[in-house]
Amino acid sequence: DGGITQSPKYLFRKEGQNVTLSCEQNLNHDAMYWYRQDPGQGLRLIYYSQIVNDFQKGDIAEGYSVSREKKESFPLTVTSAQKNPTAFYLCASSMGQGQDSNQPQHFGDGTRLSIL
Amino acid sequence: AQTVTQSQPEMSVQEAETVTLSCTYDTSESDYYLFWYKQPPSRQMILVIRQEAYKQQNATENRFSVNFQKAAKSFSLKISDSQLGDAAMYFCAYRSRGSGTYKYIFGTGTRLKVLA
Repeated sequence: DGGITQSPKYLFRKEGQNVTLSCEQNLNHDAMYWYRQDPGQGLRLIYYSQIVNDFQKGDIAEGYSVSREKKESFPLTVTSAQKNPTAFYLCASSMGQGQDSNQPQHFGDGTRLSIL
Repeated sequence: AQTVTQSQPEMSVQEAETVTLSCTYDTSESDYYLFWYKQPPSRQMILVIRQEAYKQQNATENRFSVNFQKAAKSFSLKISDSQLGDAAMYFCAYRSRGSGTYKYIFGTGTRLKVLA
């Protein structure tokens, strides 16, 4: 079955450490996204990518970095510059633009990141 | 820039009753798409229903229907015959249909409690 796989489910970060969250999709979607969700709050966009080797900052990109070397993969690195990384992280993908933009985003099951 | 507002942080409904969740949005565009997502305690994001702005007819999916008022920029979700499994966070989302636009704009969510 097609879908989005996020790993790991739970991740712990030590002070001063970078950690990378994995996101893989086999839906052949052009666009991929990373969101951060804090308790009781909505989704805030960190980064998104429309095509391979291209990505744009979202609303809260500081302290995060991404890469898009393959269509299927969009890993997110939480750097030591992100002082408050504890949150739930959701990866999503969607089809392209134009008539395909009525298609919804598909989401992974999320990664919960905590500070040790 | 587009914005999406969900003014009800929390709603309660008795099992088997009907509840309406409100969503308003602000945009200068004429062609766009609107979505309602459900996020149960498992944190998985599930598409509930979608609406194309150029369609006057309100979308329906089984017990879920929308009241789309384009002029008022309102997109409310009605859940009929509420069930315990409907308890979740509900997010309203907007996406432009224009070319080169891949961002989805989410509201802050409404937590729905279903009372037995």
